[in-house]
Amino acid sequence: EVQVVESGGGLVKPGGSLRLSCAASGFIFSDAWMSWVRQAPGKGLEWIGYIKNKFEGGAADVAAPVKGRFTISRDDSKNMVYLQMNSLKTEDTAVYYCWYGHFDYWGQGTLVTVAS
Amino acid sequence: DIQMTQSPSFLSASLGDRVTITCRASQDIGHDLRWYQQRPGQAPERLIYFASVLQSGVPSRFSGSGSGTEFTLTISNMQPEDFATYYCLQHNVYPRAFGQGTKVEIK
Repeated sequence: EVQVVESGGGLVKPGGSLRLSCAASGFIFSDAWMSWVRQAPGKGLEWIGYIKNKFEGGAADVAAPVKGRFTISRDDSKNMVYLQMNSLKTEDTAVYYCWYGHFDYWGQGTLVTVAS
Repeated sequence: DIQMTQSPSFLSASLGDRVTITCRASQDIGHDLRWYQQRPGQAPERLIYFASVLQSGVPSRFSGSGSGTEFTLTISNMQPEDFATYYCLQHNVYPRAFGQGTKVEIK
């Protein structure tokens, strides 16, 4: 059974940092290009970044709104992918989903609230 | 980067209606277009991939068409469980891009 489970969300002050984790199982994680997608309250889906598998170089990239603040990494030994979020802004408040796009495996999401 | 323009943002429909949602890509994406349905509090679920291929288990009242830059999702004979929000996604290149979403409500 495929499982994608995010964790690490919570309340953080503007300017603060948070690291989200995504635990995956039920598929060959080391082959997967993993993405993060977020959804602000009452708003649409926003793709924010991805990381390639190690065989294809392992490079990661993020979308313009979070470039320079967010980074994505992975640990294939643990079947984990991470989203490090620094210099958080109120507009980063959202549910963050971990997503294996090729097969459309989604987690349930984890809520990040940036507020003072 | 490719931009996806989805319309309308909101529509009202009655049970049994035929509904059409459109997505336009800012450049040619071939058939690399998916449609998703999202209900409140849930992750998106794929309905259509490669522009017109119905995901296994999705009712046949859902259909997709188009290629290049113009795509359409059609729901014929709206059912109560179809009232939700729909998104298109281009997966031709990175960065991926979703449309802005279409919320379908009961008239």
